[in-house]
Amino acid sequence: EVQLVESGGTLVQPGGSLRLSCAASGLTFRTYWMSWVRQAPGKGLEWVANIKVDGSEKNYVDSVKGRFTISRDNAKNSLYLQMNSLRAEDTAVYYCATAGWTLDVYWGQGTLVTVSS
Amino acid sequence: QPVLTQSSSASASLGSSVKLTCTLSSGHSTYIIAWHQQQPGKAPRYLMRLESSGGYKKGSGVPYRFSGSSSGADRYLTISNLQSEDEADYYCETWDNNIQVFGGGTKVTVL
Repeated sequence: EVQLVESGGTLVQPGGSLRLSCAASGLTFRTYWMSWVRQAPGKGLEWVANIKVDGSEKNYVDSVKGRFTISRDNAKNSLYLQMNSLRAEDTAVYYCATAGWTLDVYWGQGTLVTVSS
Repeated sequence: QPVLTQSSSASASLGSSVKLTCTLSSGHSTYIIAWHQQQPGKAPRYLMRLESSGGYKKGSGVPYRFSGSSSGADRYLTISNLQSEDEADYYCETWDNNIQVFGGGTKVTVL
């Protein structure tokens, strides 16, 4: 059974930093492009970032460029999202998922990030 | 980048069918999309990959009553024999040069 388990979400002050993690099991992690997708309270899904199988390519939505960094450790079957200079509008549930074009798309259960003073 | 347009809501009676539409923006009518379901309070779930030809491949465990079809820039998700657990938000997704885009989602209500 494929499992993607996110962690690291919490309450953080505006301007603060946070690192999210996603632990993968049940799939050959190193062969999948991976994504972070977020959902603000009461809103729809928004793609945030993705990373190529070997980490050599990373893509970001414009609103997080220069503030967020996606990374992965294939030896640990783990995906990360370093979030700096956090803003209130970054408040959301953050989901780890295999990229949409993969033949089997898997989603994690999500982790909540709240940016508030 | 492509833009995906979805109706905000749809409703149908228990046991009937509902057809959801996702429209690709001009110049992107041949793009492949994915459909995802999000039940209330839960994480999204992948339903299927749908091509411009109308061919689709469903994810593991997706019930038979879910099917896909295409016409021009429109991509459809049809849910037959609607069940109470099908009451959810449905999102389409596409990608271009490894940039991913989601539609705004359609909320399906089972009457």
